[in-house]
Amino acid sequence: DSGVTQTPKHLITATGQRVTLRCSPRSGDLSVYWYQQSLDQGLQFLIQYYNGEERAKGNILERFSAQQFPDLHSELNLSSLELGDSALYFCASSVEENEQFFGPGTRLTVL
Amino acid sequence: AQKVTQAQTEISVVEKEDVTLDCVYETRDTTYYLFWYKQPPSGELVFLIRRNSFDEQNEISGRYSWNFQKSTSSFNFTITASQVVDSAVYFCALSEVWAGANNLFFGTGTRLTVIP
Repeated sequence: DSGVTQTPKHLITATGQRVTLRCSPRSGDLSVYWYQQSLDQGLQFLIQYYNGEERAKGNILERFSAQQFPDLHSELNLSSLELGDSALYFCASSVEENEQFFGPGTRLTVL
Repeated sequence: AQKVTQAQTEISVVEKEDVTLDCVYETRDTTYYLFWYKQPPSGELVFLIRRNSFDEQNEISGRYSWNFQKSTSSFNFTITASQVVDSAVYFCALSEVWAGANNLFFGTGTRLTVIP
């Protein structure tokens, strides 16, 4: 158990819908990262937050957004969902530049 | 630009054999970190090791060992006396540290199957 929690574990929804994925980092970790794992794109970095502020952005679509709250938990919002958004979404957390510990992931299926 | 290449897509070995997973990276930074993660069939990503660019010492942890060679931009991972529980997808990753961002760039992974 990495100490990073993600909910829900599975999510099935329809095209055009909007979903919110939630992540709670390990105790003491200020950085939260979101990654997407799909068959065609592999593991891709989406976005990083540090203590509530956006710190880095990767290949995140404009339809996706994220935020980190004062209690350090983070949410990833995915809107206008398309079939191609079906993937495993991971959250990770770290202390500064140290190793990132990953949550169990949320498997999103868009039908 | 940064890039991580894991040329071996799939490897199968018989239990108790040794196996080496290759990782080659590209970066323009002089300060960076290299990682290995394991993704078992259950799907989670398990951290195995982090190595910074200034530390070229090899590391051994039980049956696992890592060989970091800056001259060839490689960070290879060897499992000695493989076991069925080692069956997983293994990812090599690179992190460039700039302006406080240290997101990971992953290779495409190597699927290891250990046959009993």
